[in-house]
Parts: sequence; structure tokens; C-alpha cells
Amino acid sequence: EAGVAQSPRYKIIEKRQSVAFWCNPISGHATLYWYQQILGQGPKLLIQFQNNGVVDDSQLPKDRFSAERLKGVDSTLKIQPAKLEDSAVYLCASSYQSTGELFFGEGSRLTVL
Amino acid sequence: AQKVTQAQTEISVVEKEDVTLDCVYETRDTTYYLFWYKQPPSGELVFLIRRNSFDEQNEISGRYSWNFQKSTSSFNFTITASQVVDSAVYFCALDSGGYQKVTFGTGTKLQVIP
Repeated sequence: EAGVAQSPRYKIIEKRQSVAFWCNPISGHATLYWYQQILGQGPKLLIQFQNNGVVDDSQLPKDRFSAERLKGVDSTLKIQPAKLEDSAVYLCASSYQSTGELFFGEGSRLTVL
Repeated sequence: AQKVTQAQTEISVVEKEDVTLDCVYETRDTTYYLFWYKQPPSGELVFLIRRNSFDEQNEISGRYSWNFQKSTSSFNFTITASQVVDSAVYFCALDSGGYQKVTFGTGTKLQVIP
């Protein structure tokens, strides 16, 4: 079974530029999450999708972050404009509804200069 | 509100020693789920265990064991006879209410010295 796929693995941008991350969850997983993990901290939930609907985006900085999950499969997380404090690893995870276990991708490491 | 506290930031042990990672959680829900995840240097978080709030039985899986105590709101993780491959950051997490909204602790970095 293929795991959660994320791209790009690494991205370096200047502040005020934009960036987009892509995630393809495990086939059949209805729930998709984007987490932000700043160095030395635990993952922080940004947004949770159930199929193509948003379940929770209370911690998403909506003035600069946006995310979509068209057709209830893969998802894109965008940051525009980026700030220095957005430097982090962006983790995508998916889960099969009844188990609650999260399956994580390898993450996309963003450095904002 | 839900919260997970992992007071131990870093732990170093010598190979073959036993080590316990502490986790304390806060929730007002009576139904919740607790997790442990391992994050090796490669970065990908790996699921280790999930427990629900109605099952306080301790669990053992090989060298790993978990002690869940509702009375102290703790879900501690013990590695017996630690190995170098156990070196990683370990996260405790809480899904309060069973809505699959998972809150992570700050993690404990475990270094096993050969």
C-alpha cells in the first residue's frame, strides 16, 4: 500500500513570496490533515478535511494560508505572502475514519529567508 | 480544551537500559483516545499505539509497554532494553471526543548511546 505522498520535500523562498505544497493521501482515507511542525515543537493542526469539506480550520492563519481538497482526494496548502515565522515542516496526514490512526507523509520543509 | 504535556524534553540512556517517557493529558471529554508516535531522524511520524479512554489495561508489544492511568491523567511509555534504533523524538497525542482532531505534545527526544 502506497503511503502519504508530499511534494516538494524542500523549499526555500524569500519573505513575501508564495509557496504551495501538495499532498496525496492513502487511497480510501477520507480524512486529511495539514500540520505545521516548527523546529523543536510538536505538530500543530492547521486544517482538517473530511472528504472535500473542512472540519476544522480554527488554527489556520487565513490571512495568508489557504488549503483545498478538490474531489476529496489530494490537497494543496498555499502560503501567500510568506513570513519568516512560517519556516517549518508541513506535514500531511490521512486517516481511515474508524481507527483514528494518522498516517504521515515525509513532510515538506519550508525555509523563509 | 485539550492539552498534552511531555515534561521531559530530552533523555539520554545507555544501550540496554530501560527508559520511561512521561505523558500527562487534559480533557473534559469522557471519550477520548491517546496515541504515541515516533519521529526518527528521517522525519516521518510513525504510529505506535492508540488507546481509548474506556480501556485502562496496560499494553505490551515486544520491548514497548504503555501504562494508562486515568486517575493521574497519564499515559506513559516504557522502552525495555533500549537500542540505538530507538533514538528518535516521541510524541504523545490526544484525540478528545473522538473527532479525530489530534493534539500533540511537544515531544521527548530520546538518545540511546551505544
